[in-house]
Amino acid sequence: DIQMTQSPSSLSASVGDRVTITCRASQSISSYLNWYQQKSAKAPKLLIYAASNLQRGVPLRFSGSGSGTHFTLTISRLQPEDFATYYCQQSYGTPLTFGAGTKVEI
Amino acid sequence: EVQLVESGGGLVQPGGSLRLSCTASGFIFSSYWMSWVRQAPGKGLEWVANIKQDVTEKYYVDSVKGRFTISRDNAKNSLYLQMNSLRAEDTAVYYCVREAGSYYYYMDVWGKGTTVTVSS
Repeated sequence: DIQMTQSPSSLSASVGDRVTITCRASQSISSYLNWYQQKSAKAPKLLIYAASNLQRGVPLRFSGSGSGTHFTLTISRLQPEDFATYYCQQSYGTPLTFGAGTKVEI
Repeated sequence: EVQLVESGGGLVQPGGSLRLSCTASGFIFSSYWMSWVRQAPGKGLEWVANIKQDVTEKYYVDSVKGRFTISRDNAKNSLYLQMNSLRAEDTAVYYCVREAGSYYYYMDVWGKGTTVTVSS
């Protein structure tokens, strides 16, 4: 199974800050990497797919990069509505696996 | 509006069974892979199973193999998860999820979830 390791597990930031979350895969997954946002036990929302493609309707302050085993999600200027938990997920092979999540707090 | 609505969750005793259903609307259900993803209380997301459009391929996480069965009825725009031999560790919110993409796949539509509690 492909293990996905996210860091940090949590972070504190302020409105307007630049935030970067890292996700590492236990083996190369090319660009088969997606990012999701989850707020307060609501259903997750897709932000980025195929490592760097912004899902329709997602604000441009969100961006993704990386390939192989190292990926990052960047929020350029944190907004109040961005405080949430973020998950990476690999779609390279089954079982599909998620990172443990990064909680972004005020 | 693209929508997934889950039902069938509830309280069940260890060793019991439950069948989850998911009804899709607003898109051509038969054109998509579909998944079940669960989230235990206070925990992260865990993919459970998925099924190909024509039902020829099904995959499961190891922890549910032999106990859970994923199925679909394209004529009814419905996805199912039959859960047998339930354990306390199966307690979670279960999400029905659409998988989009043609080369790179991603989970682009999620239901609101249905809660399964396994307890005596």
